[in-house]
Amino acid sequence: DVKVTQSSRYLVKRTGEKVFLECVQDMDHENMFWYRQDPGLGLRLIYFSYDVKMKEKGDIPEGYSVSREKKERFSLILESASTNQTSMYLCASRQGALGYTFGSGTRLTVV
Amino acid sequence: QKEVEQNSGPLSVPEGAIASLNCTYSDRGSQSFFWYRQYSGKSPELIMFIYSNGDKEDGRFTAQLNKASQYVSLLIRDSQPSDSATYLCAVNRSGANSKLTFGKGITLSVRP
Repeated sequence: DVKVTQSSRYLVKRTGEKVFLECVQDMDHENMFWYRQDPGLGLRLIYFSYDVKMKEKGDIPEGYSVSREKKERFSLILESASTNQTSMYLCASRQGALGYTFGSGTRLTVV
Repeated sequence: QKEVEQNSGPLSVPEGAIASLNCTYSDRGSQSFFWYRQYSGKSPELIMFIYSNGDKEDGRFTAQLNKASQYVSLLIRDSQPSDSATYLCAVNRSGANSKLTFGKGITLSVRP
């Protein structure tokens, strides 16, 4: 089974902090994604990457950046955390036409 | 029109009944379709995918696709309380490469 591992299950950060969310997959998938999920808004795509060092903006990239230096690792960076970035963050990976495999999620609270 | 639309729900069915979850999509060129189940506080897990018109069965689950009418549905037979979750429909739109577009989901409650 493909495993997608997110480094933290719960995080509490202060406003203005730089926050790193890490995601690692173990099946050599080319495509990786970062979503946030909020009640009533569903899953919203922040950034995705289809290859090492490649990245593309999703629907809500403002306030976020990403890094993909190795194929298995895709990091989401909140440059200066704000309270409106309090959310559940989900990482996913995908190979070809198959569906996504999601990580277990990181619930981030910004205070 | 929203790209992927699901009934707002929630949907409540008695144990043993058939639960019918529906999803419509706007891009006629969409090529592949997925159903995810998400328990409260957990991440989505893939339960069904379908690429061709018609029905696809896996145990108690049946996915139905009608590309002409642009809808995809999920039937859950003999519903169990453990099926209570939010179900997300996802569509691979034409030209979208690897990205999936998700509906907002519908919450199913199975009453014992």
